[in-house]
Amino acid sequence: AQSVTQLGSHVSVSEGALVLLRCNYSSSVPPYLFWYVQYPNQGLQLLLKYTTGATLVKGINGFEAEFKKSETSFHLTKPSAHMSDAAEYFCAVSDQGDYKLSFGAGTTVTVRA
Amino acid sequence: DVKVTQSSRYLVKRTGEKVFLECVQDMDHENMFWYRQDPGLGLRLIYFSYDVKMKEKGDIPEGYSVSREKKERFSLILESASTNQTSMYLCASIERQGARHEQYFGPGTRLTVT
Repeated sequence: AQSVTQLGSHVSVSEGALVLLRCNYSSSVPPYLFWYVQYPNQGLQLLLKYTTGATLVKGINGFEAEFKKSETSFHLTKPSAHMSDAAEYFCAVSDQGDYKLSFGAGTTVTVRA
Repeated sequence: DVKVTQSSRYLVKRTGEKVFLECVQDMDHENMFWYRQDPGLGLRLIYFSYDVKMKEKGDIPEGYSVSREKKERFSLILESASTNQTSMYLCASIERQGARHEQYFGPGTRLTVT
């Protein structure tokens, strides 16, 4: 099974500052990679995904992530944080051709005014 | 708009009770999943189903069973609820041959076992 590591269980940023959430996976074969967001008392919503092609992926709400095979990483960034970005973020991976996801432990983002 | 619904948002049950959590999707997806979410552990797969009446164990199936009698409905059953099953339960679905590779999630059921 894939292993997913999210560095930092909590991240606090000022409004307007860069948001950087780190994700590393264990597979030697490039998997499919996902970032999901969970707002309070809600289910998970897909932010963005990488399957094939361009390694810089743009998602909803101004987020983007870059797949770096040499670093087995898929870090999530947003140039300027907004109060509405306060949520929990999950990195997830699946083997190509598999439907099952392995999730990281999650990172809670708080945004300071 | 795609939709995964779960029968209850909040549920309180007593130790030893049999508990049913229901999930329904309206997207005609073949694959459905049950996860539990705990702080610091992320989401862990309990069971999944790739077709009607078909199921496979996930990473933490102990104490749980599932039922899939119809394509759109996937039920999670706690045969005898215990306090360590207090958690958030999330259902998801994905189409088998789709190019989107995206799981769609329900809103979750927060179960408390006392």
